[in-house]
Amino acid sequence: QQQVKQSPQSLIVQKGGISIINCAYENTAFDYFPWYQQFPGKGPALLIAIRPDVSEKKEGRFTISFNKSAKQFSLHIMDSQPGDSATYFCAASIEGAQKLVFGQGTRLTINP
Amino acid sequence: NAGVMQNPRHLVRRRGQEARLRCSPMKGHSHVYWYRQLPEEGLKFMVYLQKENIIDESGMPKERFSAEFPKEGPSILRIQQVVRGDSAAYFCASSPRRTGAGNEQFFGPGTRLTVL
Repeated sequence: QQQVKQSPQSLIVQKGGISIINCAYENTAFDYFPWYQQFPGKGPALLIAIRPDVSEKKEGRFTISFNKSAKQFSLHIMDSQPGDSATYFCAASIEGAQKLVFGQGTRLTINP
Repeated sequence: NAGVMQNPRHLVRRRGQEARLRCSPMKGHSHVYWYRQLPEEGLKFMVYLQKENIIDESGMPKERFSAEFPKEGPSILRIQQVVRGDSAAYFCASSPRRTGAGNEQFFGPGTRLTVL
């Protein structure tokens, strides 16, 4: 019940296209859903995060869509660029529990 | 303001040796978290510490692993008698206060441990 399932495992998108990564969770106590971006040899960096009281959050080319009833959330990267090529992780946490539960990661490649 | 610092960045140990991984949180941060990342997998929570206290060690293996965050100095993750299965990237994160909804954990660059 503490798992967060992420798909796809890898994704190839053409430059300018839309990249979509999906995550699903079981624990309805989760109340914070961040997305992290990780480049090879680096630590994860927070990209964007959402709370379950909103259904969508947009920051620049990055949008999180959240479906509370389906217990799913997704990351959309609009106008994908080669510099977006990285591994993306969704995560979830419960306020007060501190620890982040991460999905398995999606390796995104943007072809020029 | 320097970010989270970890050292060493790469560590090679032979089976049976000890590994010590260090983490200096961001200035003003008093909460530290350790995560482990196996190849091609997501990060797994290990332990959450505040100064001089272990708050949650539910993800820490029961044997050979220990963590501390002393009043002065960096947080230390210690692995005794390492085995090949301990080979992974170990990431430290810090936050300025109790992380709740909307609070961010800032990650360091990680220590890549290789056990021969």
